[in-house]
Amino acid sequence: ETGVTQTPRHLVMGMTNKKSLKCEQHLGHNAMYWYKQSAKKPLELMFVYSLEERVENNSVPSRFSPECPNSSHLFLHLHTLQPEDSALYLCASSQTGGSRTEAFFGQGTRLTVV
Amino acid sequence: GQQVMQIPQYQHVQEGEDFTTYCNSSTTLSNIQWYKQRPGGHPVFLIQLVKSGEVKKQKRLTFQFGEAKKNSSLHITATQTTDVGTYFCAGGHNTDKLIFGTGTRLQVFP
Repeated sequence: ETGVTQTPRHLVMGMTNKKSLKCEQHLGHNAMYWYKQSAKKPLELMFVYSLEERVENNSVPSRFSPECPNSSHLFLHLHTLQPEDSALYLCASSQTGGSRTEAFFGQGTRLTVV
Repeated sequence: GQQVMQIPQYQHVQEGEDFTTYCNSSTTLSNIQWYKQRPGGHPVFLIQLVKSGEVKKQKRLTFQFGEAKKNSSLHITATQTTDVGTYFCAGGHNTDKLIFGTGTRLQVFP
């Protein structure tokens, strides 16, 4: 148990569906992140929120839409995804933004797009 | 763009053998972190190095940051089956963001 909880753990969705991934952290951290991990690529940073403000958007397609309503919760809204979007989506949090703080990862959501 | 490469991609060792993974950045790093991801699990922070030439040890694990702050290594002495997993380095750029390496998957045979 890392203090970062992701739901659901597994998700299968069609290309026309709309779904949301949820992340909650109980560590009192100020920064939250979405990463994508696929079989053939390293961990890819998608979005960074620091103090509930989006500070990083790594050229992610608009079919992925993040939302950070408060410092403890982070969502990733999905719509009209493609099969190549199938991957493990990991949420992480850290005390502050920046590269010198330890990142705590959730257990991830395994997404399959059919 | 900024890239962090790791070699080897895979390593199979007999239990008791040593293991080393190397991390190389295309640009100078402000810091480097190491993470371990067990099969089916999520990355877990191991350590952070900040100073040029820094060496840190955790039991059988030795971490090193290069003098030029562009490379790093993780060495495991006398591997055990519990060491199985993927080891990622993550380089900090201008203390702003972490770029994760490609990872080295370690398999240990008893």
